[in-house]
Amino acid sequence: GAGVSQSPRYKVAKRGQDVALRCDPISGHVSLFWYQQALGQGPEFLTYFQNEAQLDKSGLPSDRFFAERPEGSVSTLKIQRTQQEDSAVYLCASSSGTSGRAPPSYEQYFGPGTRLTVT
Amino acid sequence: SQQGEEDPQALSIQEGENATMNCSYKTSINNLQWYRQNSGRGLVHLILIRSNEREKHSGRLRVTLDTSKKSSSLLITASRAADTASYFCAPGTNTGGFKTIFGAGTRLFVKA
Repeated sequence: GAGVSQSPRYKVAKRGQDVALRCDPISGHVSLFWYQQALGQGPEFLTYFQNEAQLDKSGLPSDRFFAERPEGSVSTLKIQRTQQEDSAVYLCASSSGTSGRAPPSYEQYFGPGTRLTVT
Repeated sequence: SQQGEEDPQALSIQEGENATMNCSYKTSINNLQWYRQNSGRGLVHLILIRSNEREKHSGRLRVTLDTSKKSSSLLITASRAADTASYFCAPGTNTGGFKTIFGAGTRLFVKA
Protein backbone atom coordinates (compact mmCIF):
# COMPACT_ATOMS: atom_id res chain seq x y z
CA GLY A 1 0.00 0.00 0.00
CA ALA A 2 2.91 2.32 -0.59
CA GLY A 3 2.31 5.83 -1.81
CA VAL A 4 4.56 7.83 -4.07
CA SER A 5 8.15 7.76 -2.92
CA GLN A 6 11.01 9.99 -3.89
CA SER A 7 14.73 9.75 -3.36
CA PRO A 8 16.87 11.24 -2.15
CA ARG A 9 14.84 13.33 0.27
CA TYR A 10 17.61 15.90 0.48
CA LYS A 11 20.37 16.66 -1.96
CA VAL A 12 23.13 19.23 -1.72
CA ALA A 13 25.00 19.84 -4.94
CA LYS A 14 27.80 22.17 -5.82
CA ARG A 15 27.07 24.52 -8.66
CA GLY A 16 27.87 22.81 -11.92
CA GLN A 17 27.20 19.29 -10.69
CA ASP A 18 24.65 17.01 -12.30
CA VAL A 19 21.88 15.56 -10.13
CA ALA A 20 19.31 12.81 -10.61
CA LEU A 21 16.09 12.69 -8.65
CA ARG A 22 14.02 9.54 -8.55
CA CYS A 23 10.28 9.04 -8.30
CA ASP A 24 8.49 5.75 -7.63
CA PRO A 25 4.80 6.28 -8.40
CA ILE A 26 1.91 4.28 -7.05
CA SER A 27 1.86 0.91 -8.81
CA GLY A 28 -0.39 0.93 -11.84
CA HIS A 29 -0.73 4.69 -12.08
CA VAL A 30 -0.62 5.77 -15.68
CA SER A 31 0.10 9.47 -15.17
CA LEU A 32 3.17 10.97 -13.59
CA PHE A 33 3.95 14.64 -12.99
CA TRP A 34 7.01 16.55 -11.86
CA TYR A 35 6.72 19.93 -10.13
CA GLN A 36 9.18 22.46 -8.79
CA GLN A 37 8.23 24.35 -5.64
CA ALA A 38 10.10 27.39 -4.41
CA LEU A 39 9.78 28.47 -0.80
CA GLY A 40 6.42 30.08 -0.10
CA GLN A 41 5.06 29.36 -3.57
CA GLY A 42 2.72 26.82 -5.05
CA PRO A 43 4.12 23.93 -7.10
CA GLU A 44 5.02 24.80 -10.66
CA PHE A 45 4.42 22.22 -13.35
CA LEU A 46 7.52 20.86 -15.04
CA THR A 47 6.52 17.84 -17.11
CA TYR A 48 3.96 15.07 -17.52
CA PHE A 49 4.16 11.42 -18.58
CA GLN A 50 1.43 9.06 -19.63
CA ASN A 51 3.00 5.66 -19.24
CA GLU A 52 6.44 6.02 -20.85
CA ALA A 53 5.45 8.85 -23.17
CA GLN A 54 6.41 12.37 -22.15
CA LEU A 55 3.37 14.26 -23.39
CA ASP A 56 4.12 17.68 -21.97
CA LYS A 57 7.49 19.14 -21.05
CA SER A 58 6.56 22.75 -21.47
CA GLY A 59 7.34 23.58 -17.86
CA LEU A 60 10.97 22.51 -17.91
CA PRO A 61 12.87 25.78 -17.33
CA SER A 62 15.85 25.04 -19.54
CA ASP A 63 17.52 22.36 -21.57
CA ARG A 64 19.52 21.46 -18.48
CA PHE A 65 16.42 19.72 -17.20
CA PHE A 66 15.58 16.29 -18.53
CA ALA A 67 13.04 13.72 -17.39
CA GLU A 68 12.45 10.14 -18.38
CA ARG A 69 10.18 7.24 -17.54
CA PRO A 70 11.51 4.48 -19.78
CA GLU A 71 9.32 1.60 -18.59
CA GLY A 72 6.26 3.58 -17.64
CA SER A 73 6.80 3.29 -13.91
CA VAL A 74 9.84 4.83 -12.17
CA SER A 75 10.80 8.28 -13.38
CA THR A 76 14.02 10.25 -13.08
CA LEU A 77 14.39 14.00 -13.27
CA LYS A 78 17.92 14.97 -14.19
CA ILE A 79 19.37 18.43 -13.85
CA GLN A 80 22.67 19.07 -15.54
CA ARG A 81 25.16 21.74 -14.52
CA THR A 82 23.07 22.82 -11.56
CA GLN A 83 22.71 26.51 -10.80
CA GLN A 84 21.75 28.22 -7.56
CA GLU A 85 18.34 29.11 -8.95
CA ASP A 86 17.62 25.38 -9.25
CA SER A 87 17.42 25.18 -5.45
CA ALA A 88 13.86 24.13 -4.67
CA VAL A 89 11.73 21.19 -3.63
CA TYR A 90 10.99 18.85 -6.51
CA LEU A 91 7.68 17.07 -6.17
CA CYS A 92 6.50 14.04 -8.05
CA ALA A 93 2.85 13.04 -8.32
CA SER A 94 1.02 10.16 -9.92
CA SER A 95 -2.58 9.56 -10.81
CA SER A 96 -4.59 6.76 -12.24
CA GLY A 97 -5.67 8.82 -15.27
CA THR A 98 -7.12 6.51 -17.88
CA SER A 99 -9.83 6.44 -20.54
CA GLY A 100 -8.33 9.33 -22.45
CA ARG A 101 -9.46 12.02 -20.10
CA ALA A 102 -6.96 14.77 -19.35
CA PRO A 103 -4.91 14.02 -16.25
CA PRO A 104 -5.79 17.13 -14.28
CA SER A 105 -9.24 15.61 -13.96
CA TYR A 106 -7.85 12.95 -11.69
CA GLU A 107 -6.67 13.13 -8.11
CA GLN A 108 -2.93 13.40 -7.92
CA TYR A 109 -0.99 11.64 -5.18
CA PHE A 110 2.18 13.46 -4.26
CA GLY A 111 5.46 12.20 -2.93
CA PRO A 112 7.28 13.93 -0.06
CA GLY A 113 9.60 15.74 -2.45
CA THR A 114 13.33 16.10 -2.83
CA ARG A 115 14.81 19.27 -1.40
CA LEU A 116 17.67 20.33 -3.66
CA THR A 117 20.14 22.90 -2.42
CA VAL A 118 22.76 24.14 -4.85
CA THR A 119 25.73 25.83 -3.21
CA SER B 1 -5.64 23.42 -17.75
CA GLN B 2 -5.72 26.72 -15.95
CA GLN B 3 -4.71 28.38 -12.76
CA GLY B 4 -6.82 28.80 -9.68
CA GLU B 5 -6.25 31.84 -7.53
CA GLU B 6 -6.75 31.43 -3.81
CA ASP B 7 -7.96 34.13 -1.47
CA PRO B 8 -7.03 35.25 1.13
CA GLN B 9 -3.28 34.78 0.91
CA ALA B 10 -3.10 34.19 4.65
CA LEU B 11 -5.62 33.49 7.40
CA SER B 12 -5.11 33.26 11.14
CA ILE B 13 -7.86 31.93 13.41
CA GLN B 14 -8.36 30.42 16.84
CA GLU B 15 -8.79 26.72 17.32
CA GLY B 16 -12.46 25.82 17.13
CA GLU B 17 -13.34 28.58 14.69
CA ASN B 18 -14.31 27.97 11.08
CA ALA B 19 -11.96 28.82 8.22
CA THR B 20 -13.12 29.76 4.74
CA MET B 21 -10.85 29.93 1.72
CA ASN B 22 -11.85 30.94 -1.77
CA CYS B 23 -10.69 30.03 -5.23
CA SER B 24 -11.44 31.79 -8.51
CA TYR B 25 -10.71 30.62 -12.02
CA LYS B 26 -11.25 31.98 -15.50
CA THR B 27 -12.62 29.41 -17.93
CA SER B 28 -14.88 26.37 -17.95
CA ILE B 29 -13.98 23.40 -15.83
CA ASN B 30 -15.28 19.91 -15.35
CA ASN B 31 -14.00 19.58 -11.80
CA LEU B 32 -12.01 21.39 -9.14
CA GLN B 33 -9.74 19.89 -6.53
CA TRP B 34 -8.43 21.16 -3.22
CA TYR B 35 -5.06 20.14 -1.81
CA ARG B 36 -3.37 20.75 1.53
CA GLN B 37 0.33 21.04 2.24
CA ASN B 38 1.65 20.94 5.79
CA SER B 39 4.97 22.55 6.52
CA GLY B 40 7.74 20.43 5.14
CA ARG B 41 5.44 17.81 3.62
CA GLY B 42 4.06 17.01 0.21
CA LEU B 43 0.64 17.90 -1.02
CA VAL B 44 -2.33 15.83 0.04
CA HIS B 45 -5.51 15.63 -1.98
CA LEU B 46 -8.51 16.72 0.09
CA ILE B 47 -11.56 16.71 -2.11
CA LEU B 48 -12.71 16.81 -5.71
CA ILE B 49 -15.96 18.49 -6.75
CA ARG B 50 -17.37 18.01 -10.25
CA SER B 51 -18.88 20.80 -12.29
CA ASN B 52 -22.39 19.39 -11.92
CA GLU B 53 -22.11 19.43 -8.13
CA ARG B 54 -22.77 22.49 -5.99
CA GLU B 55 -21.60 21.26 -2.63
CA LYS B 56 -19.61 18.37 -1.26
CA HIS B 57 -18.70 17.30 2.24
CA SER B 58 -15.86 15.26 3.65
CA GLY B 59 -15.58 15.14 7.41
CA ARG B 60 -15.04 18.71 8.62
CA LEU B 61 -14.55 19.95 5.07
CA ARG B 62 -17.23 21.52 2.97
CA VAL B 63 -16.57 22.59 -0.59
CA THR B 64 -18.92 24.65 -2.71
CA LEU B 65 -18.71 25.35 -6.41
CA ASP B 66 -20.44 28.14 -8.29
CA THR B 67 -19.71 27.70 -11.98
CA SER B 68 -21.65 30.86 -12.88
CA LYS B 69 -19.24 32.90 -10.77
CA LYS B 70 -16.28 30.66 -11.57
CA SER B 71 -15.49 30.29 -7.91
CA SER B 72 -15.18 27.69 -5.21
CA SER B 73 -14.85 27.85 -1.46
CA LEU B 74 -13.38 25.48 1.09
CA LEU B 75 -14.79 25.62 4.58
CA ILE B 76 -13.05 23.88 7.47
CA THR B 77 -15.31 23.66 10.49
CA ALA B 78 -14.15 23.46 14.09
CA SER B 79 -10.55 24.02 13.08
CA ARG B 80 -7.67 22.37 14.90
CA ALA B 81 -4.03 23.29 15.23
CA ALA B 82 -3.26 20.37 12.92
CA ASP B 83 -5.18 22.14 10.14
CA THR B 84 -2.36 24.68 9.97
CA ALA B 85 -1.16 24.34 6.39
CA SER B 86 -1.26 25.88 2.94
CA TYR B 87 -4.32 25.13 0.86
CA PHE B 88 -4.35 25.08 -2.93
CA CYS B 89 -7.13 24.74 -5.46
CA ALA B 90 -6.62 23.09 -8.83
CA PRO B 91 -9.27 23.58 -11.54
CA GLY B 92 -9.43 20.66 -13.97
CA THR B 93 -10.62 20.38 -17.52
CA ASN B 94 -10.90 17.57 -20.01
CA THR B 95 -9.23 19.65 -22.64
CA GLY B 96 -6.47 22.18 -22.72
CA GLY B 97 -3.44 20.09 -22.04
CA PHE B 98 -1.90 18.19 -19.20
CA LYS B 99 -0.79 20.86 -16.81
CA THR B 100 -2.15 21.33 -13.35
CA ILE B 101 -1.42 24.89 -12.44
CA PHE B 102 -1.45 25.71 -8.75
CA GLY B 103 -1.77 29.21 -7.38
CA ALA B 104 0.21 30.56 -4.46
CA GLY B 105 -2.29 29.09 -2.01
CA THR B 106 -3.88 30.27 1.21
CA ARG B 107 -1.75 29.91 4.32
CA LEU B 108 -3.94 28.98 7.24
CA PHE B 109 -2.64 29.30 10.78
CA VAL B 110 -4.77 27.86 13.57
CA LYS B 111 -3.78 29.06 17.01
CA ALA B 112 -4.22 26.64 19.89
